[in-house]
Amino acid sequence: SQQGEEDPQALSIQEGENATMNCSYKTSINNLQWYRQNSGRGLVHLILIRSNEREKHSGRLRVTLDTSKKSSSLLITASRAADTASYFCATDAGRYSTLTFGKGTMLLVSP
Amino acid sequence: GAVVSQHPSWVICKSGTSVKIECRSLDFQATTMFWYRQFPKQSLMLMATSNEGSKATYEQGVEKDKFLINHASLTLSTLTVTSAHPEDSSFYICSAEIYEQYFGPGTRLTVT
Repeated sequence: SQQGEEDPQALSIQEGENATMNCSYKTSINNLQWYRQNSGRGLVHLILIRSNEREKHSGRLRVTLDTSKKSSSLLITASRAADTASYFCATDAGRYSTLTFGKGTMLLVSP
Repeated sequence: GAVVSQHPSWVICKSGTSVKIECRSLDFQATTMFWYRQFPKQSLMLMATSNEGSKATYEQGVEKDKFLINHASLTLSTLTVTSAHPEDSSFYICSAEIYEQYFGPGTRLTVT
């Protein structure tokens, strides 16, 4: 079954604004990760949050995880045009387990 | 950091021909490599999990005779799309795992 459903599907904002993307999943997980993908390129790992963590920060990124609601959010603060990309969440249920990706959110940051 | 390369970056081939895509972990040994497929504006879908020295495990709906995977060493896995058709046109991404998955830059396949 599909894990990691993101919303919104697409988001358009102005530089300097914050962008929030949400991800929901269906089954228990060990970790949840967020990735960025520029058009036609490979994936860039942004951040990993473990199931026993509730919030994590990395630079302008803030990730939250609510295991009771099976959801996570990615907040990008003070967005830049260079943040324009697709963002995916991916869940895994254990070490050496496969990753299941959500459908992704396309973020467009206009100068 | 851990680097994964793919070759080629893009390939155009005629319908009916076979195409081989290589995935290499450049600075680490990976016991497990994964192959994903991504259609335009869609998410990554896992095709198969490849372990060095053993047969690949394919996801449901992925034809193993069409997408041949060979994991010849701890640093190299290959995906061969046999008798390619236009519907096989897609972006193929591999990843190599050591504690976590590291992704390659992807290979864009266009079948004409």
